[in-house]
Amino acid sequence: EIVLTQSPGTLSLSPGERATLSCRASQSVSSNYLAWYQQKPGQAPRLLIYGASSRATGIPDRFSGSGSGTDFTLTISRLEPEDFAVYYCQQYGSSLWTFGQGTKVEIK
Amino acid sequence: EVQLLESGGGLVQPGGSLRLSCAASGFTFSSYAMSWVRQAPGKGLEWVSTISGSASSTYYADSVKGRFTISRDNSKSTLYLQMNSLRAEDTAVYYCAKGSSTSYTRWFDPWGQGTLVTVSS
Repeated sequence: EIVLTQSPGTLSLSPGERATLSCRASQSVSSNYLAWYQQKPGQAPRLLIYGASSRATGIPDRFSGSGSGTDFTLTISRLEPEDFAVYYCQQYGSSLWTFGQGTKVEIK
Repeated sequence: EVQLLESGGGLVQPGGSLRLSCAASGFTFSSYAMSWVRQAPGKGLEWVSTISGSASSTYYADSVKGRFTISRDNSKSTLYLQMNSLRAEDTAVYYCAKGSSTSYTRWFDPWGQGTLVTVSS
């Protein structure tokens, strides 16, 4: 089973700042099989990025994904008030799906 | 617009059973794999199970294998999760999610609003 480790656990930033979230895998992950989600309190997760770098439908271009192999990054170029939330990475491999433990982006 | 509506959650005693349903609309249900993902209170996301569009293939997390059964009725556009031998650690919000292709899924999109399962005496 591939374990995904996200860092940092919490990111304290101000609106307008840049957020960089990391997702590290215990084994190599195909870029096609790496996704990112956003979850706000009391809501279901929402797909942001699939295939490591493709934005899902309706996702603003301030969200971008990059990386390959075991290291992946989600970047929010300029934080908007609605971006403060928890973010999860997810991978698929060998008929198993796993999520990272999440990174909370909070208002500083 | 794709819509997923879960139901069937509630309070159940340890060792008990519950069946969750997820009614889907807005897409050709049989053409997509479907999944269940859960989230314990205050915790992260945990994949539970996935079923292919034709129901010919099913996949389970080790934590639920042998106790949970995923199924689907394509004529009713409905996904199910039969949960037996429930434990306290199964307490969570259970989400159903649409897959990215027919045979399996690379990601989950969209998700339903979730249904809460509480296992407690």
